[in-house]
Amino acid sequence: KNEVEQSPQNLTAQEGEFITINCSYSVGISALHWLQQHPGGGIVSLFMLSSGKKKHGRLIATINIQEKHSSLHITASHPRDSAVYICAPVLNQFYFGTGTSLTVIP
Amino acid sequence: DTGVSQDPRHKITKRGQNVTFRCDPISEHNRLYWYRQTLGQGPEFLTYFQNEAQLEKSRLLSDRFSAERPKGSFSTLEIQRTEQGDSAMYLCASIQLPPGDLQSTDTQYFGPGTRLTVL
Repeated sequence: KNEVEQSPQNLTAQEGEFITINCSYSVGISALHWLQQHPGGGIVSLFMLSSGKKKHGRLIATINIQEKHSSLHITASHPRDSAVYICAPVLNQFYFGTGTSLTVIP
Repeated sequence: DTGVSQDPRHKITKRGQNVTFRCDPISEHNRLYWYRQTLGQGPEFLTYFQNEAQLEKSRLLSDRFSAERPKGSFSTLEIQRTEQGDSAMYLCASIQLPPGDLQSTDTQYFGPGTRLTVL
């Protein structure tokens, strides 16, 4: 049983489109991270949130702890946003989703 | 560059050989995690250290795997008698956990990973 489910698994978008990636989890958590992984393996933490909403540039992340659901939104998507986005709820350790592979086409 | 380094970046070995990877976390970070990631999957937790103490190990960490963090700074992950199924990216991450904070919620800083290929 996968404790973290992300959707969609793969996403192709035209440059400029608004993108939403969803994450549902079954574990009780204290916080959730959204991570970005580029080809070659480097992982960067985008957000850590425990409630509500956070915004950083064109990225917006929301979380509903009661519903065990989080979303990552990208506004005005750009080809450089192409990467794998991973949802990682946290309890004592990180649980990772399998990721959403995003490709933004110019 | 996140400040976390891993060495080597790539390792090719024959089945049955032993391999050792090293992770140098950000110097003031007291917690260090090891993860494994196979192609198309998210990272899987292996183990973590709080300073030099190994506090949790995943059931994925068979007895062929051992990790150490002897002085609470760098860490090593050794795999003995490697198998083809061990081929993966091994990632290290570190954070600074405030004293008395038992749960990690802060941003983790990931190293670039060591890609292991077992032939």
